[in-house]
Amino acid sequence: NAGVTQTPKFRILKIGQSMTLQCAQDMNHNYMYWYRQDPGMGLKLIYYSVGAGITDKGEVPNGYNVSRSTTEDFPLRLELAAPSQTSVYFCASSRTSGGPSTDTQYFGPGTRLTVL
Amino acid sequence: QQPVQSPQAVILREGEDAVINCSSSKALYSVHWYRQKHGEAPVFLMILLKGGEQKGHEKISASFNEKKQQSSLYLTASQLSYSGTYFCGTGNQGGKLIFGQGTELSVKP
Repeated sequence: NAGVTQTPKFRILKIGQSMTLQCAQDMNHNYMYWYRQDPGMGLKLIYYSVGAGITDKGEVPNGYNVSRSTTEDFPLRLELAAPSQTSVYFCASSRTSGGPSTDTQYFGPGTRLTVL
Repeated sequence: QQPVQSPQAVILREGEDAVINCSSSKALYSVHWYRQKHGEAPVFLMILLKGGEQKGHEKISASFNEKKQQSSLYLTASQLSYSGTYFCGTGNQGGKLIFGQGTELSVKP
């Protein structure tokens, strides 16, 4: 199993550009998550999904959009990139039948995004 | 509400012990502990569910006191490989996981 994979590993964007961060998992997990981690800080939840077609906002959803058309994929869309979105973005997944707080979350390697 | 971790940073010599604390202002159903090495993804250590159960993982163990809304991570006889940032994540039943700001642990030879 590859686990959770993310592409790209690094990206530099100009202010106002858009991009999609890709995330895929091959563990047949129902739950998937997007977090951002600013330097020296903890993880902040952006969006999460409990299954294909179902998504919900986390702590910091503004400026981002998600979709979940399959169990495996959970892309994160940045519209009109701003310097405040410079961060490391982690995708994670979990099996979780009891809710996101009750099972192990498996993290992808991250995407380092810089907005200039 | 983000849980509060203490201390923010700790430096140890190999073989020394450390305790990292995580406290919340809200009632908790679960506490997760993750370790993150510099430039890498967080890696799961353990999860504690409501019930006060203490768990162990090699020389790393944790306790969860739901009455005090606190969890502690115990690292005994620390090794160089224990260096990294430790995060607790707290959650309500069915709710999302909220992560603390992290505790940076450095183990020196």
